[in-house]
Amino acid sequence: DAGVTQSPTHLIKTRGQQVTLRCSPISGHKSVSWYQQVLGQGPQFIFQYYEKEERGRGNFPDRFSARQFPNYSSELNVNALLLGDSALYLCASNPWSTVNNSPLHFGNGTRLTVT
Amino acid sequence: AQSVSQHNHHVILSEAASLELGCNYSYGGTVNLFWYVQYPGQHLQLLLKYFSGDPLVKGIKGFEAEFIKSKFSFNLRKPSVQWSDTAEYFCAVNAKSGGGADGLTFGKGTHLIIQP
Repeated sequence: DAGVTQSPTHLIKTRGQQVTLRCSPISGHKSVSWYQQVLGQGPQFIFQYYEKEERGRGNFPDRFSARQFPNYSSELNVNALLLGDSALYLCASNPWSTVNNSPLHFGNGTRLTVT
Repeated sequence: AQSVSQHNHHVILSEAASLELGCNYSYGGTVNLFWYVQYPGQHLQLLLKYFSGDPLVKGIKGFEAEFIKSKFSFNLRKPSVQWSDTAEYFCAVNAKSGGGADGLTFGKGTHLIIQP
């Protein structure tokens, strides 16, 4: 079975630009979450979507937005990029709206570098 | 707000040594607890999880962890490590309140190096 797939794998952008990252969950999983992992730190929660609705949001500025499509895939958008947005962006999926009984499955991530 | 503290950022052990990685969390309510592992060049994988019941949980590859509620701890253990255990290990917590939709809170990770 295919795992969580993310594209692109690497991306280089300039400050002030906008970026869109994409994620396809494991087949049958209806929830997608996004995490930011800065070098040397653990992943930090950005968003969770379930059935196309935002169910949770971490402490990130409004420059970060996301959406989920009818096929449960998801996009993360970041506007007005800052140098500090350079990080590995992880997508995770699970079958239900919470992690209470179904752990997250992570993709390999998109490495974003902002210059 | 929840927080997770992993005591050791870098650990170097020889093969066959015993391993214990510390994890403490701060949250007063009921939690779900996880250990994830990230092998070099690979994605985060679930090692083990605690939702309820027996506080001693067993995971993949011979790992286990014990939830001690009074100490807010969820330490990871393995009796005898192998070179292939070299990886980054993350402890994570999720509060059961709010339906768990506020995501996982991760610690900063422990970089484990096993010397042959």
